[in-house]
Amino acid sequence: DIQMTQSPSSVSASVGDRVTITCRASQGISSWLAWYQQKPGKAPILLIYAASNLQGGVPSRFSGSGSGTEFILTINSLQPEDFATYYCQQANSFPALIFGGGTRVEIK
Amino acid sequence: EVHLVESGGVVVEPGGSLRLSCAASGFTFDDYTMHWVRQTPGKGLEWVSLINWDGSSTFYADSVKGRFTISRDNRKNSLYLQMNSLRTEDTALYYCAKDRGAGSQYYLDSWGQGTLVTASS
Repeated sequence: DIQMTQSPSSVSASVGDRVTITCRASQGISSWLAWYQQKPGKAPILLIYAASNLQGGVPSRFSGSGSGTEFILTINSLQPEDFATYYCQQANSFPALIFGGGTRVEIK
Repeated sequence: EVHLVESGGVVVEPGGSLRLSCAASGFTFDDYTMHWVRQTPGKGLEWVSLINWDGSSTFYADSVKGRFTISRDNRKNSLYLQMNSLRTEDTALYYCAKDRGAGSQYYLDSWGQGTLVTASS
C-alpha cells in the first residue's frame, strides 16, 4: 500500500510568513494528489487537486507543486485564518484514498 | 450551494450495528461518486468507502471490508453506510463527502459536518 508522509508534523509561523509543507509518497503517484485544510471542529476543505490546481474559491496565496513522490503546499503571506491543520491525500491507488498524517500550522 | 448532512451516529456496543445517512442538496446528486471518510484523534483521516453514481460499483477500505455496506438512493438524494459487527476501533467522526468530478476524480470537494459513532460497552 502507498504511504503518505507529511513533514513537518507542526510548524510555528507568524502572519505574513511563507510556509511550506511537504508530502512524500512511498511510491510514485504522478500528480494524483490533493491538499485539504481543516480547522478545529470543522470538516476538511479542498484547497488543491491534481497536485497544483487551485480549487474554486481558494485564495491564490495557496499553491501546490510536485509530482511523482514529492509534493509541496506553499502558503504565501500567511493570514490569521490560515492557522489550521493541512492534509495531503493521494488518489492514485484506486480506489483507496490515502491521507497523510497532517501538519498543524500554529501561531508563533 | 452544496449541502451534506449526516445523521445516525450514536453510542453502540461492540458487535452492534448502525446505519448512517447523508442527505445531499445543492447539486445533481446522481451525477457524482460519493464517499465516506472517518476521523479519529489518534489516526487522522481515513477513507472508508465509495459508491459510484448509480450504485453499481462500491469499494471499501480493508479495515471495514465485509462489515460495512455503502448504498445510495438517488430518488431521495441520500447516501447510506450500514455498519455491522462494530469494533471499538470504528469509533470516529464519520463524514460523507462528494467527489469533485462528474464520474470519479477521487478528490473530495464538499464534506458534511460529520456524525459521531462510538463503539463502546
